[in-house]
Amino acid sequence: EAGVAQSPRYKIIEKRQSVAFWCNPISGHATLYWYQQILGQGPKLLIQFQNNGVVDDSQLPKDRFSAERLKGVDSTLKIQPAKLEDSAVYLCASSLGPQQPQHFGDGTRLSIL
Amino acid sequence: AQSVAQPEDQVNVAEGNPLTVKCTYSVSGNPYLFWYVQYPNRGLQFLLKYITGDNLVKGSYGFEAEFNKSQTSFHLKKPSALVSDSALYFCASYAGNNRKLIWGLGTSLAVNP
Repeated sequence: EAGVAQSPRYKIIEKRQSVAFWCNPISGHATLYWYQQILGQGPKLLIQFQNNGVVDDSQLPKDRFSAERLKGVDSTLKIQPAKLEDSAVYLCASSLGPQQPQHFGDGTRLSIL
Repeated sequence: AQSVAQPEDQVNVAEGNPLTVKCTYSVSGNPYLFWYVQYPNRGLQFLLKYITGDNLVKGSYGFEAEFNKSQTSFHLKKPSALVSDSALYFCASYAGNNRKLIWGLGTSLAVNP
């Protein structure tokens, strides 16, 4: 089966600019996750969708981050405006359902200048 | 507070020797336990999981993990390490009916030729 697809792989922007990341989960996976991973640390959940509804966005900085999952399939994560501390790898994952193994994309490495 | 601990930041082992990466958990109810591996510039890959049943779980790439309820541990093991096993390893757990995955901070495994 095809894995989780993410684009772009790398992105460099200046602070205060906006950026968007795209994720296409594995077909049939109802649950989709966006994580932020800072170098040398574990993944931090930003938002979790079940189909197209939000299950958990408690750690999403809502003043600058937004995410949507249209039609319960693809998802986009947006940052506007970006801050220096947003430099990280943004990982998308999907699973058949909650508490099932998660399958990750290779992430987008974001650098803020 | 519920948590997953990986007490070793780094583990070094010689190729061909057995390896162990340690994980302990503190969650309410019956834990659902997972191990993931992350290679450089890649997303996390699912290795194995424990939900119920046999305490010894076999996973991908020759890895296995032993669930020990009395010691609240879920250590990852492999009988004979390969240089290609060098990567970052993450332990994670769901707590009972909680849909949020709790991540350890990761252990960097270095297998020396």
